[in-house]
Amino acid sequence: DSGVTQTPKHLITATGQRVTLRCSPRSGDLSVYWYQQSLDQGLQFLIQYYNGEERAKGNILERFSAQQFPDLHSELNLSSLELGDSALYFCASSVGGQGNTGELFFGEGSRLTVL
Amino acid sequence: GENVEQHPSTLSVQEGDSAVIKCTYSDSASNYFPWYKQELGKRPQLIIDIRSNVGEKKDQRIAVTLNKTAKHFSLHITETQPEDSAVYFCAASKGGILTGGGNKLTFGTGTQLKVEL
Repeated sequence: DSGVTQTPKHLITATGQRVTLRCSPRSGDLSVYWYQQSLDQGLQFLIQYYNGEERAKGNILERFSAQQFPDLHSELNLSSLELGDSALYFCASSVGGQGNTGELFFGEGSRLTVL
Repeated sequence: GENVEQHPSTLSVQEGDSAVIKCTYSDSASNYFPWYKQELGKRPQLIIDIRSNVGEKKDQRIAVTLNKTAKHFSLHITETQPEDSAVYFCAASKGGILTGGGNKLTFGTGTQLKVEL
């Protein structure tokens, strides 16, 4: 158990819909990262937050947005869903900042299926 | 930004043989290089990591080497076993750096390792 909690574990929805994925980082971790992994693909970095502020943005579509709340949990919002958005979405956390050792701790992922 | 290339994409070895996976990175400021093992449908799990002030690190059957000058690092698995079969990802980051997306991991494209009996 990494200490990172993601919900829901599985989600099936239709094209055009909107979903929200939730992540609770490890206790004490200030940084949250979102990654997308499509079938047989690598881990694509989407976005990073540190202590409530956006820190880095990767290949995140405009239809996607995220935020980190004061209690440090994060949500990834996916809207106007397309078939190609079907993927495993991983959240990871780290201590963050200059005290960071570099290691990321991954949650179990949320598997999104768009029909 | 950082770019990590990983080879080979697939690797088949006989049980007991060694396996080597190689990665190169582009950003000379990267200082943290982890390797993750991912089984089908599961989360990536850290198996070993190395920092830029170290050239080699070993943990039982697994070792990682780093060549900062050439900007490449490698994973070595000896005496492979069927349970080593999985996808392995290398990654790089600028750990401890606040700006420019520091700490985020950039992953290689993965290597599907198959250990055959």
